[in-house]
Amino acid sequence: QVQLQQSGTELVKPASSVKISCKASGYTFTSNYMHWIRQQPGNGLEWIGWIYPGNGNTKYNQKFDGKATLTADKSSSTAYMQLSSLTSEDSAVYFCARGTGLLYWGQGVMVTVSS
Amino acid sequence: DVVMTQTPVSLSVSLGGQTSISCRSSQSLVHSDGNTYLYWYLQKPGQSPQLLIYKVSNRFSGVPDRFSGSGSGTDFTLKISRVEPEDLGVYYCYQGTHYPYTFGAGTKLELK
Repeated sequence: QVQLQQSGTELVKPASSVKISCKASGYTFTSNYMHWIRQQPGNGLEWIGWIYPGNGNTKYNQKFDGKATLTADKSSSTAYMQLSSLTSEDSAVYFCARGTGLLYWGQGVMVTVSS
Repeated sequence: DVVMTQTPVSLSVSLGGQTSISCRSSQSLVHSDGNTYLYWYLQKPGQSPQLLIYKVSNRFSGVPDRFSGSGSGTDFTLKISRVEPEDLGVYYCYQGTHYPYTFGAGTKLELK
């Protein structure tokens, strides 16, 4: 069955960077878009962007340009999102989700930015 | 950006009852390829969102037929009949037609 296993909770300092992962199984990783979504505490959902692991193409929400960088490792079927220049505003749960329509979601990674 | 306006913000429903959620977009969601990329999700407490309906009216695998989606253009509706306890949570609509893709603010479904 399709599974998206995300990395664990992160506590990071302001101005630093963090890289979170999303390991896919149960489907052809290289043939499906991987999307990333943010959910700030008590808030709704924001689309960050997608990566197509087959060729590495990416598309970002302009709001996250320069903040988020999406990559993928075909050999391990793992997608990554690096968040840079972190501030308290970046404290949120970050989800990966497979495919157009966000058919399957990872369990989410809570990132807390605090000194 | 396309604004997705969900109403109501919250709903109180009795078990076994019926209810509906509206989602209106600030632009038509008909893509140049002819498809309408409008989706509905349920986020249960402490869980990730799960897909219920894709492309307006298609139930995702395993979703009970108590859930139905309808609409076109800019006006969409999710109907839930015979509400069960596992239906409680926050419902989101989402458009995947225009960049950046956007979500509605959510509708919280609670028990009366």
